[in-house]
Amino acid sequence: EVQLVQSGAEVKQPGESLKISCKVSGYIFRNHWIAWVRQMPGKGLEWMGAIYGGDSDTRYSPSFEGQVTMSVDESVSTAYLQWRTLKASDSAKYYCARDTGRRAGLDYWGQGTPVIISS
Amino acid sequence: SFEVKQSPSVSVSPGQTARITCSSDALAKQNGHWYQQKPGQAPVVVIYRDTERPSGIPERFSGSSSGSTLTLTISGVRPEDEADYYCQAPDISGTYWAFGGGSRLTVL
Repeated sequence: EVQLVQSGAEVKQPGESLKISCKVSGYIFRNHWIAWVRQMPGKGLEWMGAIYGGDSDTRYSPSFEGQVTMSVDESVSTAYLQWRTLKASDSAKYYCARDTGRRAGLDYWGQGTPVIISS
Repeated sequence: SFEVKQSPSVSVSPGQTARITCSSDALAKQNGHWYQQKPGQAPVVVIYRDTERPSGIPERFSGSSSGSTLTLTISGVRPEDEADYYCQAPDISGTYWAFGGGSRLTVL
């Protein structure tokens, strides 16, 4: 059974750093892309970008390039999304999803990680 | 960057047909996908590659494509279909993706 399990909710202050995780099981991690999707409170879905499990090839949406960093650790089948300097506008729920691209879209999703940035 | 436009929200009575459209220039040459999101839940793909339905998705969900426009059709709408629906489309190269703004389906 394919599963993506994300790390728990985070409450941080502006200016702090953060790294959230997405641990996958049930398929070969290195053979697939993982996408990250942002959903701000009461708003729609935003595709932030995707990273390939096998070689860390990364594609960032222009809206998020330079704002976040995606990475993977194949040894533990885990993808990460990190911020160096958080802003209040980073408050959102972040989803990871297995990204099959044109083939079948985002076919398996994590449960989402809520991130609250508040002073 | 590129834009993915969705039709506004739609309200229908149970048993009626709901249609949601999505347009983006690249959809004339590339495939897109549709997702359903219910409150407090992660999205679920209901149609992929314009017209394909994943296993487990009811037959009342169907997709079609014409030119640069995708259409999600829900025939015989049921109360449990009330949700937000998003289309996802790529850029012309198929490398970068974006979601439409979402369409809320209300079942009266």
